[in-house]
Amino acid sequence: AQRVTQPEKLLSVFKGAPVELKCNYSYSGSPELFWYVQYSRQRLQLLLRHISRESIKGFTADLNKGETSFHLKKPFAQEEDSAMYYCALRAGWGGSEKLVFGKGTKLTVNP
Amino acid sequence: DGGITQSPKYLFRKEGQNVTLSCEQNLNHDAMYWYRQDPGQGLRLIYYSQIVNDFQKGDIAEGYSVSREKKESFPLTVTSAQKNPTAFYLCASNNLAGGRPYNEQFFGPGTRLTVL
Repeated sequence: AQRVTQPEKLLSVFKGAPVELKCNYSYSGSPELFWYVQYSRQRLQLLLRHISRESIKGFTADLNKGETSFHLKKPFAQEEDSAMYYCALRAGWGGSEKLVFGKGTKLTVNP
Repeated sequence: DGGITQSPKYLFRKEGQNVTLSCEQNLNHDAMYWYRQDPGQGLRLIYYSQIVNDFQKGDIAEGYSVSREKKESFPLTVTSAQKNPTAFYLCASNNLAGGRPYNEQFFGPGTRLTVL
């Protein structure tokens, strides 16, 4: 069965500190992983995906197939990073692919 | 801020009543999805559709129904059979290539349903 685990419901850091939001997945196929972010009073939006290997707003995430992880990292957190973060796995085959979401981590960056 | 619109933003319903949530997209996406978002539960898939007049159950379809009569529209009906309907409902869409979703999934602003 496909599963995405985000072990931290809440994460609080100070501005300028490094931040890491953990994500582990369980999937027998070739994974396609995403991080979505939901800022206060805004819609859910894509932050980054492992295929593009890009850095968005200073965030990066590396797919580690050995550890089945896709942790989200930023070296220096900013107050505007405070939001709800969801890790998602695209799973399935034959046209039945769908996104499986973790339960989310609420990040608070304190001044 | 277009793309996917959902209406209404807030909806109140009495117990025992059916209610329909609207979702429209102008992205020309083939696939559309309905999720339920509850605190501490993440997003759970209710129904999805990859083509007009066809849809599949997601993980928590009981008590819900959908239709896909037009490519741009995917309304969700929350029936009286849904035991815990109070939640935040998100609609999403995705492009398909070769019948498979590719690139990112786009989300609407959501509808908050409260059962009184």
